Amino acid sequence: GQQLNQSPQSMFIQEGEDVSMNCTSSSIFNTWLWYKQDPGEGPVLLIALYKAGELTSNGRLTAQFGITRKDSFLNISASIPSDVGIYFCAGHQGGSEKLVFGKGTKLTVNP
Amino acid sequence: DGGITQSPKYLFRKEGQNVTLSCEQNLNHDAMYWYRQDPGQGLRLIYYSQIVNDFQKGDIAEGYSVSREKKESFPLTVTSAQKNPTAFYLCASARSGEGNQPQHFGDGTRLSIL
Repeated sequence: GQQLNQSPQSMFIQEGEDVSMNCTSSSIFNTWLWYKQDPGEGPVLLIALYKAGELTSNGRLTAQFGITRKDSFLNISASIPSDVGIYFCAGHQGGSEKLVFGKGTKLTVNP
Repeated sequence: DGGITQSPKYLFRKEGQNVTLSCEQNLNHDAMYWYRQDPGQGLRLIYYSQIVNDFQKGDIAEGYSVSREKKESFPLTVTSAQKNPTAFYLCASARSGEGNQPQHFGDGTRLSIL
């Protein structure tokens, strides 16, 4: 099945730094979702985006639905140790009931 | 509290044995999904169901079976035909299978071979 291209694969940052990660595709998506997964747990929905160009915030997290509908990015400002985890992007394509997932970005925050 | 409950948290399978993973949701969601997650990989879809008594194969259905007899429940059986079953299995549900509804996940079951 199709997968999204998510980058970077991993990031090592200092506490307080800002973080940016993105997902791209050669196909158009109607919805972009961003999830966070802690070790041994299921992914938790962070932000859902439904319109091209949409910019949505959730606390220190901000995500945008790319204007071409083929990409999305997630920013985390002023990172803290509990931001550690794997961040996944996911998207719905028109006419499909399935979600397509990226392979994840593993974030490590050094205190 | 509303949510998705997966059990058990850890499961061990012997050679030639079928095992069943439980997934229950009390969110009144119509659609339910099973994913497999391997280290360093994204989520791969095994089976999904948009309505009771109906389900469809995902991308990696071979060696797995499901049933959807009740709206709240979507158990996954890992059969002996699945030769590499060791993985983290995630169940998800959504309000419906259409309309771009976000999926919400349970906490997973980790399956290992004895």
